[in-house]
Amino acid sequence: EVQLVESGGGLVKPGGSLRLSCVVSGVAFDNYTMNWVRQAPGKGLEWISSISSGSTYKYYASSVKGRFTISRDNARTSVYLEMNSLRDEDTAVYYCARDFTRLGYWGRGTLVTVSS
Amino acid sequence: QSALAQPASVSGSPGQSITISCTGTSSDVGSHDHVSWYQQYPGKAPKLMIYDVSNRPSGISNRFSGSKSGNTASLTISGLQAEDEADYYCCSYRSTYTLIFGGGTKLTVL
Repeated sequence: EVQLVESGGGLVKPGGSLRLSCVVSGVAFDNYTMNWVRQAPGKGLEWISSISSGSTYKYYASSVKGRFTISRDNARTSVYLEMNSLRDEDTAVYYCARDFTRLGYWGRGTLVTVSS
Repeated sequence: QSALAQPASVSGSPGQSITISCTGTSSDVGSHDHVSWYQQYPGKAPKLMIYDVSNRPSGISNRFSGSKSGNTASLTISGLQAEDEADYYCCSYRSTYTLIFGGGTKLTVL
């Protein structure tokens, strides 16, 4: 069974930090780009970051560049998102998704709430 | 980063066909064939329905089809069924190695 399981979400104050994790099982991981996509409550999807299979290339949406850092550990089939200087507008469900131009596998998401 | 333009809502009766448009620019939809479509039910993760403009992943019904002309991509659902009622999002590769989603379209089956 294919599983992408996100964790690490929660309630954090503005300016705070969180680290999200996504563990992948049941499907190839090493050779694929991984992504984080978020969805604010009642809003649409927003791609925020991707990392190439060997971690050489990392890309970010302008809305998170300089504040968020993506990384991965192929040995643990995991991808991470370090989020700093969080803002109210970062409140969203954060999904990890495999591949780049075809996001064929998604996790169920983890909710991040930024509020004082 | 402005989202790709999609109609906020579309509707159709069972058995009918509907088309959802997705309009971008020459930097995304117009210059790449990496356009994909996702179906999302409330509270659930998105599901890939179409990739690279018109390709269906294994297991996706052939009632779903995709196309592109210029800066506009389209998703057509034929033989509409009640279970097709969901939100649909287009997504395109954009120059400089980013992805851009559409604002989403709510499909109502009457």
